[in-house]
Amino acid sequence: GQQVMQIPQYQHVQEGEDFTTYCNSSTTLSNIQWYKQRPGGHPVFLIQLVKSGEVKKQKRLTFQFGEAKKNSSLHITATQTTDVGTYFCAGPFSGGSNYKLTFGKGTLLTVNP
Amino acid sequence: GAVVSQHPSWVICKSGTSVKIECRSLDFQATTMFWYRQFPKQSLMLMATSNEGSKATYEQGVEKDKFLINHASLTLSTLTVTSAHPEDSSFYICSAHSGTDTQYFGPGTRLTVL
Repeated sequence: GQQVMQIPQYQHVQEGEDFTTYCNSSTTLSNIQWYKQRPGGHPVFLIQLVKSGEVKKQKRLTFQFGEAKKNSSLHITATQTTDVGTYFCAGPFSGGSNYKLTFGKGTLLTVNP
Repeated sequence: GAVVSQHPSWVICKSGTSVKIECRSLDFQATTMFWYRQFPKQSLMLMATSNEGSKATYEQGVEKDKFLINHASLTLSTLTVTSAHPEDSSFYICSAHSGTDTQYFGPGTRLTVL
């Protein structure tokens, strides 16, 4: 079945350092989505990438979708304590008509002030 | 953005009892809602897809008789955990599909079964 792998599982940085999490799908994706879940909270939609090679920015966050539409990355520049949380990538099930998502295992980011 | 609510936000119950969790889309109609379960420090695992006016579709390994799902209207889906046991203790999260590619998640319900 479809798998979405995410690395690293954990990342601890000093405030001000950069952070990157990588997502890789076993199948080509029509799109990829990124979510952030704060400790004790629920996933919050960050962004969706659709086009091959697409790059989108949200302030200090840069999202990329690979040319083959099988991998993606999220890069945070100059992390802040407010960036703490688990970042999940998710892709739609292959051929799914109800738009089910397969989530990666997530990357837990902790930031030392 | 679209808002999804869940009720209750947390619940503690005795083993053997049933618990109902509500998921509502507040400002849009959701023909499809999804129910996820998340154990501590783990990812979201899809349990079932809830379609308005039809039976839910359950993922492999999820007992349909234990996790009853009802999607009676375009804004409400309910998940009932029947005869709950301690191993059912988890964080249950719903999401609603707005007709676009985006899913909007509810705040989750933390269930503890004693």
